Amino acid sequence: QQKVQQSPESLIVPEGGMASLNCTSSDRNVDYFWWYRQHSGKSPKMLMSIFSNGEKEEGRFTVHLNKASLHTSLHIRDSQPSDSALYLCAARYNAGAKLTFGGGTRLTVRP
Amino acid sequence: DAGVTQTPRHEVAEKGQTIILKCEPVSGHNDLFWYRQTKIQGLELLSYFRSKSLMEDGGAFKDRFKAEMLNSSFSTLKIQPTEPKDSAVYLCASSLPGEDTQYFGPGTRLLVL
Repeated sequence: QQKVQQSPESLIVPEGGMASLNCTSSDRNVDYFWWYRQHSGKSPKMLMSIFSNGEKEEGRFTVHLNKASLHTSLHIRDSQPSDSALYLCAARYNAGAKLTFGGGTRLTVRP
Repeated sequence: DAGVTQTPRHEVAEKGQTIILKCEPVSGHNDLFWYRQTKIQGLELLSYFRSKSLMEDGGAFKDRFKAEMLNSSFSTLKIQPTEPKDSAVYLCASSLPGEDTQYFGPGTRLLVL
């Protein structure tokens, strides 16, 4: 089993809708999470990061973190077709430099 | 500031060939990572360098994959000999120690026939 689990594997939402993506670590030593977005044929680009309990908002994107359950979620409101991409969750453990990536959630936003 | 650069962007190799992929990290970044990305396996770490020292060399990838950091601003990944199962996108990323957000290059798409 992967150390970083993402769900769902794929998600389809209508334009203007809300997309909710989940990520959980199976290792309690996680101390930081990142969310990356990867458009088809492109490389991953960092969207947001979080290490404190609670939520963080940047424009249409909100990230939540629950440290007790080792769970983070990414919410995209007013989804646009340009948001269609692979979303990768990455976790850092024990303040090391390495990141462990989940398998990703493929988001499709239908016009 | 230039981002991470990778060359070539595409490579086609015959089985058994040796190929060398190149990466230049963001100026000033001390951590450099090589990943392989496939639809089935996702992102897999191949190698990790800190200040030119090899910190991790990716376990299962040791036998035919060799990454080197020739200086603080240039790294290579050699695959020798190539096999069809090596067909994938190879991504290089760099980060600042302590900041740890990784910035990815555009990748090299490798096809081994």
